[in-house]
Amino acid sequence: AQSVTQLGSHVSVSEGALVLLRCNYSSSVPPYLFWYVQYPNQGLQLLLKYTSAATLVKGINGFEAEFKKSETSFHLTKPSAHMSDAAEYFCAVSDTGANSKLTFGKGITLSVRP
Amino acid sequence: DTGVSQNPRHKITKRGQNVTFRCDPISEHNRLYWYRQTLGQGPEFLTYFQNEAQLEKSRLLSDRFSAERPKGSFSTLEIQRTEQGDSAMYLCATEGGGWSYEQYFGPGTRLTVT
Repeated sequence: AQSVTQLGSHVSVSEGALVLLRCNYSSSVPPYLFWYVQYPNQGLQLLLKYTSAATLVKGINGFEAEFKKSETSFHLTKPSAHMSDAAEYFCAVSDTGANSKLTFGKGITLSVRP
Repeated sequence: DTGVSQNPRHKITKRGQNVTFRCDPISEHNRLYWYRQTLGQGPEFLTYFQNEAQLEKSRLLSDRFSAERPKGSFSTLEIQRTEQGDSAMYLCATEGGGWSYEQYFGPGTRLTVT
């Protein structure tokens, strides 16, 4: 069975500061990994995905994540936070077969202070 | 707007009533997923369709829940004899053919059972 751990439920950073949101996964097969963002009263939007190509993945809005197999991690980073980054962020893992159902972590709420 | 629509956006019902939600996918997306999201948690997989065939159901999907996708187009999720524990956000996601592994989420239907 696959699982995702997102430690902590809330991260607060100052505008312009580094954003680091942690994600660790457990999977018995090589995983595909994803980060989604959810703004209030909206559905989830894909930020980026890792599907066994380059281990450093760049996504939308200046976010990137690095797949580290030895650490079973897929942490999300952004060099400089913007007020508009305030949202909930979910890390997810999927199977690589035809049914690519997602298993999500509990999510992390990112607050950005002016 | 991802192109996936869900109706209604909000539903308030009394315990014991039946409810039905609808998801309209992005045109030609043959894979469709239903997830349930409760407060403070990440979405949890409920069921998966490839075209009109329902290929997997989570054990979370009790016999009070039924989903259909006639003709491989829109999908409906019905909950019979609703319980207060059914209160949640119900999310639909669709994925195109090929192996993009990119799921596009609708805005969700928020169900409140009183």
